[in-house]
Amino acid sequence: QQQVKQSPQSLIVQKGGISIINCAYENTAFDYFPWYQQFPGKGPALLIAIRPDVSEKKEGRFTISFNKSAKQFSLHIMDSQPGDSATYFCAASQYTGTASKLTFGTGTRLQVTL
Amino acid sequence: DGGITQSPKYLFRKEGQNVTLSCEQNLNHDAMYWYRQDPGQGLRLIYYSQIVNDFQKGDIAEGYSVSREKKESFPLTVTSAQKNPTAFYLCASKLREGGYEQYFGPGTRLTVT
Repeated sequence: QQQVKQSPQSLIVQKGGISIINCAYENTAFDYFPWYQQFPGKGPALLIAIRPDVSEKKEGRFTISFNKSAKQFSLHIMDSQPGDSATYFCAASQYTGTASKLTFGTGTRLQVTL
Repeated sequence: DGGITQSPKYLFRKEGQNVTLSCEQNLNHDAMYWYRQDPGQGLRLIYYSQIVNDFQKGDIAEGYSVSREKKESFPLTVTSAQKNPTAFYLCASKLREGGYEQYFGPGTRLTVT
């Protein structure tokens, strides 16, 4: 049961362009939405995160847009660079009463070309 | 350097053998997690622990076991009962109280033949 749906599966963007990755969820109990960046053979690294009471969060070239009513959120990478080429995962966190647990999307492989 | 260490980076085993993956953190985090990553499937939660001597099953715990005897350590054993053990295994940790951020280790790639 895929609780967080992520698209596209892969994305090719030219250097300087905007990369956009989308995620959708169903569980309204989710209360924290992070994005992770992963390079081949490495562990994921937290990139940026948002709480549902905020519609947008920007950190440098990375922006999360959050639409609570539509249960969707997206990552925008402005001025994409070859060094941004990686796999990106969205996730959603739910507190179960004893612990917070992350549910991950299936990932988007981003390639930024020269 | 504070962080999470996983060892070894690559591990090879024969089918039918149990194998233990190491995860150590010096971040003074209370909670620790084990995930499995397969191509095209994202990260799936195997086990997690909020405090020493306590742990809970995640979404895909069958064929795995864990222990949490020390705050810094959360080893994962992949048993012979796990039908498809070949995968990339990731350990993570976070503060139990306050904050949602999970920090990941570098991972161990396990190959079983």
